Amino acid sequence: DSGVTQTPKHLITATGQRVTLRCSPRSGDLSVYWYQQSLDQGLQFLIQYYNGEERAKGNILERFSAQQFPDLHSELNLSSLELGDSALYFCASSERYTNTGELFFGEGSRLTVL
Amino acid sequence: GENVEQHPSTLSVQEGDSAVIKCTYSDSASNYFPWYKQELGKRPQLIIDIRSNVGEKKDQRIAVTLNKTAKHFSLHITETQPEDSAVYFCAATGRNTNAGKSTFGDGTTLTVKP
Repeated sequence: DSGVTQTPKHLITATGQRVTLRCSPRSGDLSVYWYQQSLDQGLQFLIQYYNGEERAKGNILERFSAQQFPDLHSELNLSSLELGDSALYFCASSERYTNTGELFFGEGSRLTVL
Repeated sequence: GENVEQHPSTLSVQEGDSAVIKCTYSDSASNYFPWYKQELGKRPQLIIDIRSNVGEKKDQRIAVTLNKTAKHFSLHITETQPEDSAVYFCAATGRNTNAGKSTFGDGTTLTVKP
């Protein structure tokens, strides 16, 4: 158990819909990262938050947005969903501002867009 | 930004043999190089990491080597066992690497045949 909690574990929805994925980081970790992993693909960095502020941005689509709340949990919002958005979405947390330490990954949220 | 290339994409070895996975990176400012193991359907987990002030690090059957001049690092697994079968990801990051984000390689699927 990494200490990172992601909900929901599985989500099936239709094209054009909007979903919200939730992540609770390890106790004490201020950094939250979101990654997308499509079938047989690597880990694509989407976005990082540190203590409520956006810290770094990767190849995140404009249809996607995220935020980190005062209690440090984070949400990833995916809208106008397309078939290609089907993937496993991982949240990870770390204690550091820069990613020069271990990332603790959650179990992931598997999104299926039909 | 940082670019990480990982080879090979698939690797099949006989139980007891050694496995070597290689990664190259582009940003000379990168100073932290972790390796993650992802078993099928599971979350990535850190197995070993190395920082730029060290050339080699070993943990039981796993070792990582770093050549900063050539900008490449490698994962070595000796006496492989079937439970080593997984996808392995390398990553490179540092204080100056795009505000701290890690760039992951595309992954290597290791199969250890009993």
